[in-house]
Amino acid sequence: QKEVEQDPGPLSVPEGAIVSLNCTYSNSAFQYFMWYRQYSRKGPELLMYTYSSGNKEDGRFTAQVDKSSKYISLFIRDSQPSDSATYLCATPAAGFQKLVFGTGTRLLVSP
Amino acid sequence: ETGVTQSPTHLIKTRGQQVTLRCSSQSGHNTVSWYQQALGQGPQFIFQYYREEENGRGNFPPRFSGLQFPNYSSELNVNALELDDSALYLCASSLDGGALASETQYFGPGTRLLVL
Repeated sequence: QKEVEQDPGPLSVPEGAIVSLNCTYSNSAFQYFMWYRQYSRKGPELLMYTYSSGNKEDGRFTAQVDKSSKYISLFIRDSQPSDSATYLCATPAAGFQKLVFGTGTRLLVSP
Repeated sequence: ETGVTQSPTHLIKTRGQQVTLRCSSQSGHNTVSWYQQALGQGPQFIFQYYREEENGRGNFPPRFSGLQFPNYSSELNVNALELDDSALYLCASSLDGGALASETQYFGPGTRLLVL
């Protein structure tokens, strides 16, 4: 079983839609969770991070962690074509020396 | 832009050859991590260096090795290249090797390696 699992998509939505991106993880010891966005031919850039359970909001983005079900989500409101990218969930592991990533979900927002 | 640069952007090698990839971290960032990202996959941790010493390693064979220099530059060396080494290689820098270093990892654009 992979430590972090993510549906690879692609997920296609019209502009203005609410997008829900999800990951599951296997190790209940994981406490920090990150969402990275990766545009084509670019490196990942950190969007948001959360600690333990609960929600965190930043503009159109909301990150949510449900530790009881080992489920993390990223919601994008009023999605824009510029949001088209691959979204990677990640968590620090091994004493915070490495990030463990999901496979990434490719999001396509059409005008 | 993250201020992390990598060179070259693309590289083609043949099986059995050796390759060196380079990364320049943000000034003041003492930690550099290297990741391999195969097509359609998330990045996989190769190893991390903190103040020029290896500080953790993922499940990669010894033919993957690294160096970190005092001027915030680093190298990833891969010997005896195999076809499966074809991937995007990413370096990420962060301020220190402390517990929350992973929280602030800034990635470069990557080097795309193709092994024929």
